Amino acid sequence: QVQLVQSGAEVKKPGASVRLSCKASGYTSTSYYVNWVRQAPGQGLEWMGMINPSGGITRYPRMIQGRVTITRDTSTSTVYMELSNLRSEDAAVYYCAKSQMISGYFDFWGQGTLVTVSS
Amino acid sequence: QSVLTQPPSVSGAPGQRVTISCDGSSSNIGAGYDVHWYHQVPGTAPKLLMYGDNYRPSGVPDRFSGSKSGTSASLAITGLQAEDEGDYFCQSYDTSLSGSVFGGGTKLSVL
Repeated sequence: QVQLVQSGAEVKKPGASVRLSCKASGYTSTSYYVNWVRQAPGQGLEWMGMINPSGGITRYPRMIQGRVTITRDTSTSTVYMELSNLRSEDAAVYYCAKSQMISGYFDFWGQGTLVTVSS
Repeated sequence: QSVLTQPPSVSGAPGQRVTISCDGSSSNIGAGYDVHWYHQVPGTAPKLLMYGDNYRPSGVPDRFSGSKSGTSASLAITGLQAEDEGDYFCQSYDTSLSGSVFGGGTKLSVL
């Protein structure tokens, strides 16, 4: 069955960087986009960007572009998201989710990774 | 501030019908992009509930339906059940932002 398994919780200081992983299984990982979505405590969902695991092409929202980098390792079917220069407002649960299209729906989600930013 | 606007909360008694609205603009819903809906139980990941405006993934009961008109979409739930409680989010694509956008979420309470 389709699974997206994410790495464990992280605690980082302001100004640091964090790198999260999302390992896909149960489907052809190069055939679908992998997106990152975050949810701050008690808040809504925010799209953080996506990657086409086949060609490695990425897209990021303008508001966070420059601080976020999404990469992939096709040999392990793993997608990574690195967020730099962390601020308190980056504290959130980060989810990876797969989609068939750039403008498509997210049909499977990872379990989420909690990122805490604290000095 | 979310790009798509949803009411913060809705409620209904078991068996009743409720609707959740999702208001967008000419650069997302109004541009013809599909609207998708997710249900999230606190502490868990969102789960796809409706895609392509009004298509239900396998396993989602037909008590759930979606519609879209102009720059708005809505999710209707009939025959409310206790298990329907949670947060509901709408999602679309925004051509100005070149990415996916979400609503702020609506908390459904079954009284």
